[in-house]
Amino acid sequence: EDKVVQSPLSLVVHEGDTVTLNCSYEVTNFRSLLWYKQEKKAPTFLFMLTSSGIEKKSGRLSSILDKKELFSILNITATQTGDSAIYLCAVAGANSKLTFGKGITLSVRP
Amino acid sequence: DTEVTQTPKHLVMGMTNKKSLKCEQHMGHRAMYWYKQKAKKPPELMFVYSYEKLSINESVPSRFSPECPNSSLLNLHLHALQPEDSALYLCASSQVRGGEDTQYFGPGTRLTVL
Repeated sequence: EDKVVQSPLSLVVHEGDTVTLNCSYEVTNFRSLLWYKQEKKAPTFLFMLTSSGIEKKSGRLSSILDKKELFSILNITATQTGDSAIYLCAVAGANSKLTFGKGITLSVRP
Repeated sequence: DTEVTQTPKHLVMGMTNKKSLKCEQHMGHRAMYWYKQKAKKPPELMFVYSYEKLSINESVPSRFSPECPNSSLLNLHLHALQPEDSALYLCASSQVRGGEDTQYFGPGTRLTVL
């Protein structure tokens, strides 16, 4: 059975801090790993990673995938209160099904 | 444009009602998905349509009935639901049913079954 584990489950930081969110996986026929941000409603797409070692970057957010060690990290630098959300990691495996982790709840305090 | 729209935003229904959730995308995506998300849990896949044909049904009870009238629309027909079916129902779409294509989510319908 496919499995995605995120850590930590929750995190409280102050504005300006840098955070690292972790995602490890065991998936049959790995195809891609996706990061989403979820506030009150639907998950919003952040990154998709398919190749190992390539960093995807968008503003203060960046992510990298290690296909050998089966994990990914999402970094957020200079955090802002608007970064407070649940960050979901999902992996696409056989039949293109997405398996989600439980999510990491990030709270950024002023 | 990566917009997926869903209606209604909120729905309250009794256990004997019949209602439908609607999802629409105009990105030319040929794969569409229904997910169910309970509070503080990740989304759970319910159905996948690929090229307007049902390709995955995750053993969902028959009181949920999906329909894909065309490549832009996806419906979820609800009948005789139970209170435990109350959840956020999310629609998503991707370019093709393939692992390297990003799924984009709609805003969801918050369903309450009384």
